[in-house]
Amino acid sequence: ETGVTQTPRHLVMGMTNKKSLKCEQHLGHNAMYWYKQSAKKPLELMFVYSLEERVENNSVPSRFSPECPNSSHLFLHLHTLQPEDSALYLCASSPSWVGGHEQFFGPGTRLTVL
Amino acid sequence: AQSVAQPEDQVNVAEGNPLTVKCTYSVSGNPYLFWYVQYPNRGLQFLLKYITGDNLVKGSYGFEAEFNKSQTSFHLKKPSALVSDSALYFCAVRDGDDYKLSFGAGTTVTVRA
Repeated sequence: ETGVTQTPRHLVMGMTNKKSLKCEQHLGHNAMYWYKQSAKKPLELMFVYSLEERVENNSVPSRFSPECPNSSHLFLHLHTLQPEDSALYLCASSPSWVGGHEQFFGPGTRLTVL
Repeated sequence: AQSVAQPEDQVNVAEGNPLTVKCTYSVSGNPYLFWYVQYPNRGLQFLLKYITGDNLVKGSYGFEAEFNKSQTSFHLKKPSALVSDSALYFCAVRDGDDYKLSFGAGTTVTVRA
């Protein structure tokens, strides 16, 4: 599969569960991102990684824990989430985290927290 | 600080008519400007960008956008809209000195047959 892939596409979890979102990019990019998309709101940047090093954590609650084991894979570990965390979580990648490069997005994981 | 505004939540046009989606921005340095489109249950797809050079930028699917520095705008246009252009459109801006890409809230475009 080409581009940016995300699994699972849909996830329903209880507030006490622990789950993980996975993202993989097949583009040879050096930067990867997690975004949260809620209805009628701009995309919220959560985390930025460049060459497996985290370069930004946008004041995200600790119940979200990212992991970037290599430049092609990005995970978002979830635990003790709240209902307001229900949203579409998008992964993206780009050749570099600076400059005029566009970002390439995966299809997203639709998360519902009960 | 950087920000982007899409003043219209919704744009409705008839097929074959011109389509315009508005975007204004604010940056402290030189802007990098982007347009993305999102179809239902899909991620964002890149349409076009302005980095430097010619103010009129051409992109995918017949879309184009004009960078206007004096009006701090980057409106998306298509001369003849198709029903398949119905989607959610996002404008985004990056201050040239910053790594963060800031998105507008999005504009829903509906093209009626």
